[in-house]
Amino acid sequence: AQKITQTQPGMFVQEKEAVTLDCTYDTSDPSYGLFWYKQPSSGEMIFLIYQGSYDQQNATEGRYSLNFQKARKSANLVISASQLGDSAKYFCAMRERTILPNAGGTSYGKLTFGQGTILTVHP
Amino acid sequence: DTEVTQTPKHLVMGMTNKKSLKCEQHMGHRAMYWYKQKAKKPPELMFVYSYEKLSINESVPSRFSPECPNSSLLNLHLHALQPEDSALYLCASSQATGTGDAEDTQYFGPGTRLTVL
Repeated sequence: AQKITQTQPGMFVQEKEAVTLDCTYDTSDPSYGLFWYKQPSSGEMIFLIYQGSYDQQNATEGRYSLNFQKARKSANLVISASQLGDSAKYFCAMRERTILPNAGGTSYGKLTFGQGTILTVHP
Repeated sequence: DTEVTQTPKHLVMGMTNKKSLKCEQHMGHRAMYWYKQKAKKPPELMFVYSYEKLSINESVPSRFSPECPNSSLLNLHLHALQPEDSALYLCASSQATGTGDAEDTQYFGPGTRLTVL
């Protein structure tokens, strides 16, 4: 079963307008983190914003905000005042605790990504 | 400065070649990662190193051999690869606070585009 679902393969937005990219997730762990990354055609994954499962307020970073609805298990990314340079593929990702049976501990290293949404900003 | 560097940017190799990918970070991070990303797909985790020790191996074939010589460097040694191994290989690093909070955010390098002929 998919843990991260991004239902929008592609989105179009006019320059200077706002756009919302959808992300739903599935986990039974009460402690998790949600991330959004941007991947331009060059390939680098650029970190945008983080939301912890225990955070009371929605995360914001400049023009990026995360609409976190915990009961609905959704973590939508809102980009305000879109710019031409925002055209890229956007990935939602979740980090869960991983039990390390051979190491006697836990790891927070495993990021699971959604399929991504390609955003195109029109002038 | 959130910078992770990877070399080479592009690599073409035959199925009998041995090559290595290199990743470096100078952010004082103690966790480093290798991901594989096929075209039009999301990245998939391959390996996680924490404090220079391998902590997660996602059942990766032995033709991929990771190495973490020190806290700043991560290598991926490649041997007898198949054409289906052609992909973008991404390295990432993070602090290893063990708390799973925002400080454990993974920062990625630009990737190495690997083509296996």
